[in-house]
Amino acid sequence: AQKITQTQPGMFVQEKEAVTLDCTYDTSDQSYGLFWYKQPSSGEMIFLIYQGSYDEQNATEGRYSLNFQKARKSANLVISASQLGDSAMYFCAMRERSKAAGNKLTFGGGTRVLVKP
Amino acid sequence: DSGVTQTPKHLITATGQRVTLRCSPRSGDLSVYWYQQSLDQGLQFLIQYYNGEERAKGNILERFSAQQFPDLHSELNLSSLELGDSALYFCASSVAGGQGAIDEQFFGPGTRLTVL
Repeated sequence: AQKITQTQPGMFVQEKEAVTLDCTYDTSDQSYGLFWYKQPSSGEMIFLIYQGSYDEQNATEGRYSLNFQKARKSANLVISASQLGDSAMYFCAMRERSKAAGNKLTFGGGTRVLVKP
Repeated sequence: DSGVTQTPKHLITATGQRVTLRCSPRSGDLSVYWYQQSLDQGLQFLIQYYNGEERAKGNILERFSAQQFPDLHSELNLSSLELGDSALYFCASSVAGGQGAIDEQFFGPGTRLTVL
C-alpha cells in the first residue's frame, strides 16, 4: 500500500526566505505521480506542482520547485522568496498509475507553514 | 476559483440522520472524486466516478454511497450519521481517469458537515 510521510507538522519561515517542506513516500509501483497542494485557512485545496516518476528533471512552477530524489523516495517542495500569503497547510500526495487504483490520491498528514513578516 | 462547485457549504445535523452532498465538476471533466478531511484521519479518498461509472473505491463506509449522474454531477449520500462523521468533504474533478497524463484534480470548496 502507498504511504506518504510529512515529518514536519509545522514550521515558521521569515518573509522573503526560502523554505523546504519534506515529503517521503513508499510505493512498489514503478509508475506514479507526486503532487503538492496548498490549503489556506479558508479551506480550499489548491494544486501547486506535479512530478511524474519518469520525469528526469525536477518540476518547477513559479516560486515552487520540487526536489525529486527517486532513489531516496523523497519529493520535497521548495518555496522560494516566501510571502505572507504562503501561510497555509501544505499536503504532499501520490497517485499510482493502475487501472484498479483509478486516479485516487493518497495524502500525507500535511505541514503547516507560517510566514513571519 | 477551481470551477468545481459544492453545495451546501455548511451542514449541521443530528446523529442518525441522512444527508446528501452535491458536486458539479468543472466543465469538460469526466471524473469526480470524493475525499473526507477529518482531524483524526486526515485527508482520505472515498470514491471516484468516471463518466457515470464507479472507477475506484477507498475507505468509504457502507453507510455512505455516491453516484454520478448523466450530466456528470455527483452526489454523496451519508446515512445513519455518527459524531465521527463530522468532517470537511471535498469533491474534486479531473479531465480523465488518470491514465497517461498529469490529470490533476481540481478541488471544490468543500462541505463542512457537523453531526451533533
